[in-house]
Amino acid sequence: DVKVTQSSRYLVKRTGEKVFLECVQDMDHENMFWYRQDPGLGLRLIYFSYDVKMKEKGDIPEGYSVSREKKERFSLILESASTNQTSMYLCASSLTETDTQYFGPGTRLTVL
Amino acid sequence: GENVEQHPSTLSVQEGDSAVIKCTYSDSASNYFPWYKQELGKRPQLIIDIRSNVGEKKDQRIAVTLNKTAKHFSLHITETQPEDSAVYFCAASRTNAGKSTFGDGTTLTVKP
Repeated sequence: DVKVTQSSRYLVKRTGEKVFLECVQDMDHENMFWYRQDPGLGLRLIYFSYDVKMKEKGDIPEGYSVSREKKERFSLILESASTNQTSMYLCASSLTETDTQYFGPGTRLTVL
Repeated sequence: GENVEQHPSTLSVQEGDSAVIKCTYSDSASNYFPWYKQELGKRPQLIIDIRSNVGEKKDQRIAVTLNKTAKHFSLHITETQPEDSAVYFCAASRTNAGKSTFGDGTTLTVKP
């Protein structure tokens, strides 16, 4: 079974803090994704990566950056957290863009 | 880029009835159409998918149909059960796009 794990299930941070969310997959998938999920807004793509050190902006990249130094790990960085970044963050991976995405359990981030 | 519209946003049915959720897409080059189910508090998981060379696919009580000419695809759930209650997301992607585009989700409630 594909396993996608995220570093934290719940996280509370202060405004202005730098926040790291980490995602690890164990199936040698090429593609990895970061989404945020807010009530009524579906899954919004923040960034994605199709190879090590490669990254592409999604639909809502403002205020975020990412890092993919190793194939199995994709990190989401909030350089200076703001209250409007309070949300559920979901990581996913897939073999290619036309294959099933496997999601992690999510990190619920609260920025105070 | 690709645009995916999903309808309805909410759907309520009686146990045993059928449920149909429809999605339209804009990119005629899209060739992979998955459906994900997200139960409350859990991660989205694939329930069925279809590729553009197939018109219909069934898996027990779940089926997906694809109309490439009209650029729409639908999820059909027969003999609904309370455990089918969840949010359902459709998605579309094409080779070399790097990502999928998701619909906004449909909240299905099955009343016992």
